[in-house]
Amino acid sequence: AQTVTQSQPEMSVQEAETVTLSCTYDTSESDYYLFWYKQPPSRQMILVIRQEAYKQQNATENRFSVNFQKAAKSFSLKISDSQLGDAAMYFCAYRSSGGADGLTFGKGTHLIIQP
Amino acid sequence: DARVTQTPRHKVTEMGQEVTMRCQPILGHNTVFWYRQTMMQGLELLAYFRNRAPLDDSGMPKDRFSAEMPDATLATLKIQPSEPRDSAVYFCASGFDPVGELFFGEGSRLTVL
Repeated sequence: AQTVTQSQPEMSVQEAETVTLSCTYDTSESDYYLFWYKQPPSRQMILVIRQEAYKQQNATENRFSVNFQKAAKSFSLKISDSQLGDAAMYFCAYRSSGGADGLTFGKGTHLIIQP
Repeated sequence: DARVTQTPRHKVTEMGQEVTMRCQPILGHNTVFWYRQTMMQGLELLAYFRNRAPLDDSGMPKDRFSAEMPDATLATLKIQPSEPRDSAVYFCASGFDPVGELFFGEGSRLTVL
């Protein structure tokens, strides 16, 4: 079974600075999807960014980018120019490309933005 | 603006009562998932449907939980009888395979006294 590990229960960053959230995963598959979801206090799960394992290029969405290292099974999220609205729980998630099962989530990282 | 709709948003009930949570997936999506979120266990997959057929409910306590999709616009998760350990936030999510991306509802917060 796949597992997703987020080793940082909590991170803090000053507003306007850059922060990187770590995620590692374990799988024997070669084709899969990786995601970062954001959960603000409203508890709505919001997709931040997605990466297909077959793509070598790292995904980018505005201030959010990933560092995908397939051999190392690492998928970190970088948030540039941090804003107060970025404060939330961030979950890394894995899904096999075959779709035989749903998303497997990490335990999450609580991101605090210091004004 | 297409979104997954869940009801109720909040539910407080007493132990032993039946609880039914409902979900309207995004029109056109062919997969529906039920997740449970607790502080201790995080996000756990309870059940998964594709084209309304149940594919995986191995994460669900079978003796008290049941999940169904009576039609393409409605998914239900039922707990009977409910227990205090069932207190959690229950999320429904839908997607279109094989894209892989899931869209989540706002969740139903269940408290069992």
